[in-house]
Amino acid sequence: QKEVEQDPGPLSVPEGAIVSLNCTYSNSAFQYFMWYRQYSRKGPELLMYTYSSGNKEDGRFTAQVDKSSKYISLFIRDSQPSDSATYLCAMSQGWAAGNKLTFGGGTRVLVKP
Amino acid sequence: GAVVSQHPSWVICKSGTSVKIECRSLDFQATTMFWYRQFPKQSLMLMATSNEGSKATYEQGVEKDKFLINHASLTLSTLTVTSAHPEDSSFYICSARSGFSYEQYFGPGTRLTVT
Repeated sequence: QKEVEQDPGPLSVPEGAIVSLNCTYSNSAFQYFMWYRQYSRKGPELLMYTYSSGNKEDGRFTAQVDKSSKYISLFIRDSQPSDSATYLCAMSQGWAAGNKLTFGGGTRVLVKP
Repeated sequence: GAVVSQHPSWVICKSGTSVKIECRSLDFQATTMFWYRQFPKQSLMLMATSNEGSKATYEQGVEKDKFLINHASLTLSTLTVTSAHPEDSSFYICSARSGFSYEQYFGPGTRLTVT
């Protein structure tokens, strides 16, 4: 079993719809949770960062972390064709473990005009 | 924002040769750099962590004699794939972090094809 599980998709939605992404994890030591966006053949770009449980909103993006369920989510409102990309969740135990990131497998999202 | 560059963006080499990939932080000092490998339609797998002026720490299963990492300055780290074989063909991505920042800034990646 992988430490971080993520549905590979593809997830296809019409423009303007809400995109809902999620990851589950098994290591309860993870404290920091991130979402990255990666366009084809490019490096990942940080979208959202959350420490411990709770919600965080930034523009059209909302990240949720439920540590009791070991489940994190990312919601994208009013989706645009430019949001078509692969979305990766990543987690870290923090400085105690060298701040290394463990990534999920990524979910490919396609927003159709 | 912080910018990380990689060079080359794409390289093709013959089996048995060595290839060097550069990772540079352009507008900040990178005290720590990370090297990842990503196979098609798969996620990023951490290969090693390097701190400026120190030897790299490799993840389990990564051959340190095959993937040589040098982090000689606060703005440059290099990954050399020695005696490359077709199974080493992959997308190699570096990231850099400054000081106590949690955020890693990723480079655009280098696509290596070994024929």
